[in-house]
Amino acid sequence: AQSVTQPDIHITVSEGASLELRCNYSYGATPYLFWYVQSPGQGLQLLLKYFSGDTLVQGIKGFEAEFKRSQSSFNLRKPSVHWSDAAEYFCAVGGTGGGNKLTFGTGTQLKVEL
Amino acid sequence: DAGVIQSPRHEVTEMGQEVTLRCKPISGHDYLFWYRQTMMRGLELLIYFNNNVPIDDSGMPEDRFSAKMPNASFSTLKIQPSEPRDSAVYFCASSLVSNQPQHFGDGTRLSIL
Repeated sequence: AQSVTQPDIHITVSEGASLELRCNYSYGATPYLFWYVQSPGQGLQLLLKYFSGDTLVQGIKGFEAEFKRSQSSFNLRKPSVHWSDAAEYFCAVGGTGGGNKLTFGTGTQLKVEL
Repeated sequence: DAGVIQSPRHEVTEMGQEVTLRCKPISGHDYLFWYRQTMMRGLELLIYFNNNVPIDDSGMPEDRFSAKMPNASFSTLKIQPSEPRDSAVYFCASSLVSNQPQHFGDGTRLSIL
């Protein structure tokens, strides 16, 4: 069965500081990996995705993520956080082995201190 | 392009009433998903459709829940009778083809009193 673990429920960073949100997955085949962001009262918005190829993927809003197969990880990073990045972030895994179903992590709530 | 459209945005009703949530997927998307989000259980997949056909409804919690997709541009999620524990935010999402990113609507916040 596929699963996603986001070990950090809450993270607080200062504006301008760097950010890394952790994501570990379990998947029996080649995974497709996604990061989504959810602002209060809104749906989930796709930040970036990994299907194959270059293990460092760039997304919107200055985010990037690195796929590390040996560590079953897909951590999200941003070099300098802006106050508007405060939101909840979800990692998700899917792929050919699980039909079109995505499994989401429990989310990491990001707070940005000014 | 219009995104996934859900209605209503908010619904407050009394226990025992029938609730119908509506979703219009992005035009041309072949897959439609219904999710439920709560603080306790996070984001749960309830059911998904491919080309209007239900593929996996294993996440539907009880027989009180039903979903239909009569055509490619419309889907409903119905709860009858509703219970307070059904209170949650319900999201609809669609994707173009298998394993492509899913695009989410803004959700329906449902409160059952």
